[in-house]
Amino acid sequence: SAVISQKPSRDICQRGTSLTIQCQVDSQVTMMFWYRQQPGQSLTLIATANQGSEATYESGFVIDKFPISRPNLTFSTLTVSNMSPEDSSIYLCSVVEGEETQYFGPGTRLLVL
Amino acid sequence: AQSVAQPEDQVNVAEGNPLTVKCTYSVSGNPYLFWYVQYPNRGLQFLLKYITGDNLVKGSYGFEAEFNKSQTSFHLKKPSALVSDSALYFCAVRAAYNFNKFYFGSGTKLNVKP
Repeated sequence: SAVISQKPSRDICQRGTSLTIQCQVDSQVTMMFWYRQQPGQSLTLIATANQGSEATYESGFVIDKFPISRPNLTFSTLTVSNMSPEDSSIYLCSVVEGEETQYFGPGTRLLVL
Repeated sequence: AQSVAQPEDQVNVAEGNPLTVKCTYSVSGNPYLFWYVQYPNRGLQFLLKYITGDNLVKGSYGFEAEFNKSQTSFHLKKPSALVSDSALYFCAVRAAYNFNKFYFGSGTKLNVKP
């Protein structure tokens, strides 16, 4: 299975600032996703990161707040912009391998003060 | 509409006893079904999947799951629980024709007591 790393693993940020989260995969993958998870809760899909085109956002998420880049088939970034305490969460990137199984990175734990 | 239900927020079992974590699903067409486990401060780890074939699938760490089409269920099982199995478990489903969309259950916290 694909090995996925995320940076940073955790951060504490001040409201009004922005944080960029990086996701690196050890193999080329077509599908990459970004999720948000409140601790102990289920996952909410933010967007699908498309290589060479704009990301596809789910209802309730907008590009101005969560800009995503996907410059190649092994890397993506998610930026959480103009943060508020409500953005405190775990952010997970994932990939689909073989058009079947989704694999997840270790997550980025964000606390906004 | 596609959905996944995990009816139990928490399951408590004693070490050495069998465990079951329940999952039911609703999806158009043939389902692809998955179980993931999340340990504290970790990402989700893939446990097992059902795509087609034998209704009983075996996965990592001694876990298995049974696909039941008539009951639209995909319950996770293990014959003998370990304390180290204590974690948060997620069931997920996607439609066979749409690999862009995975639907996750609300999660079940498994507590295995010594």
